[in-house]
This record gives sequence, C-alpha cells and structure tokens, in this order.
Amino acid sequence: AQKVTQAQTEISVVEKEDVTLDCVYETRDTTYYLFWYKQPPSGELVFLIRRNSFDEQNEISGRYSWNFQKSTSSFNFTITASQVVDSAVYFCALSEAMGIRTSYDKVIFGPGTSLSVIP
Amino acid sequence: DGGITQSPKYLFRKEGQNVTLSCEQNLNHDAMYWYRQDPGQGLRLIYYSQIVNDFQKGDIAEGYSVSREKKESFPLTVTSAQKNPTAFYLCASSGQGGNNEQFFGPGTRLTVL
Repeated sequence: AQKVTQAQTEISVVEKEDVTLDCVYETRDTTYYLFWYKQPPSGELVFLIRRNSFDEQNEISGRYSWNFQKSTSSFNFTITASQVVDSAVYFCALSEAMGIRTSYDKVIFGPGTSLSVIP
Repeated sequence: DGGITQSPKYLFRKEGQNVTLSCEQNLNHDAMYWYRQDPGQGLRLIYYSQIVNDFQKGDIAEGYSVSREKKESFPLTVTSAQKNPTAFYLCASSGQGGNNEQFFGPGTRLTVL
C-alpha cells in the first residue's frame, strides 16, 4: 500500500541554520512520482519539486536541495541558511500514476512537518 | 494570471445548514480535487473529478456533495449530514496523469457556530 511518513512533526531552528526535512515513502510500484509542497501561514499549498522514480539525481534550487534515495525509499529536503520566510508546513507526497489516468491514482500526502525559523 | 480561486475565505454557518464552497480554475486543467485539513493534520481527500460531468468519492466523502458541470468549476457543498464540518477546505487542480503537480487555491475556513 502507498504510504508517506514524515516523522518530524515540528522543527524549530535559528535563522541561518541548515535544516533537513525527512520523507520516507512506501509503494509497490516501480514507476511513481514524489513531490514536496510548502504551506505558509496563509494556507495555500505551493508546489516545490517533482521527482520521478527513475531519476535519482539530487537537485539544488537556490537554498533548497533534495536528496532522493530509492535504496532507503527516502526523499529528503534540505534548506540551507534558513530564513524566517521559510517558516511553513512542508508536505511530501507520492503518486503512483503515470501517463493519462484511466482511473484515479490517488496522491498520498504525508502528515507534514511544521518548520519554525526563529530570528 | 492563471490560478485557482476559492470563495469565500472565511465562512460561518449555523448547525443544520448546508453551505456551498466555490472553486474556480482558469488553468485548463481536467482534474480537480477537494481536500479537508484539520488543525495540525495533513490533507484528506473529499472528492475528485477527472473530467466534466464525472466525479468520484475520496476518503471522507460522507456529508459532502459536489458537481462538475463546467471544466472551470468544482463547487463543494457541506451538508447538514457532515457531523464535524469545522475545518480548512482546499481546492486543487492538475493536468491528467500522476506526474502532474497539483495547484492549490487559497482555501476556505469554515466554522460551524
């Protein structure tokens, strides 16, 4: 069965510290997609990154980086030199579908990690 | 600009009343979704629609109803049968296929008085 675990419920860091948000997933499929979303205090989720199961290259975007390891079924997210604006709830998500859906393949969201960056 | 709009942002209702939450998108997406989020919780899927005039129940559909008469619109009605409707409701849309990310609206916070 599909499952996404974000073991860290809440994290607090001081500004400029690095922080890593963990995501562990379970799936029986060989083709799947992983996502990270950010939910700031305003409430609207914002898409950050998508990874497919065949691409294990790590990705860096500014202060954000993602480490995808199929061997440990993990897709961790690191923020370098954190800022107050990074304070938000971060969700990891898994989708097993690819191509055009003939039936709905549900996106499974993890429970989220609440990150507080203290000035 | 393309995006998803939800209205109203805050909604209050008395117990026993039905209420409809609006969701409109101009992204030309086929798929639309409704999620419920309770404080400190993740997202739970209420209903989804892959195409106009078709929709399916999600994990917590009891007490809710939807319609999809237009591609752009996917309104959610919270009925009096929903036992605990106070929550934050998020609408999303995406292209067809699991490789597509979902785009979310700003949400509606419903409070039952």
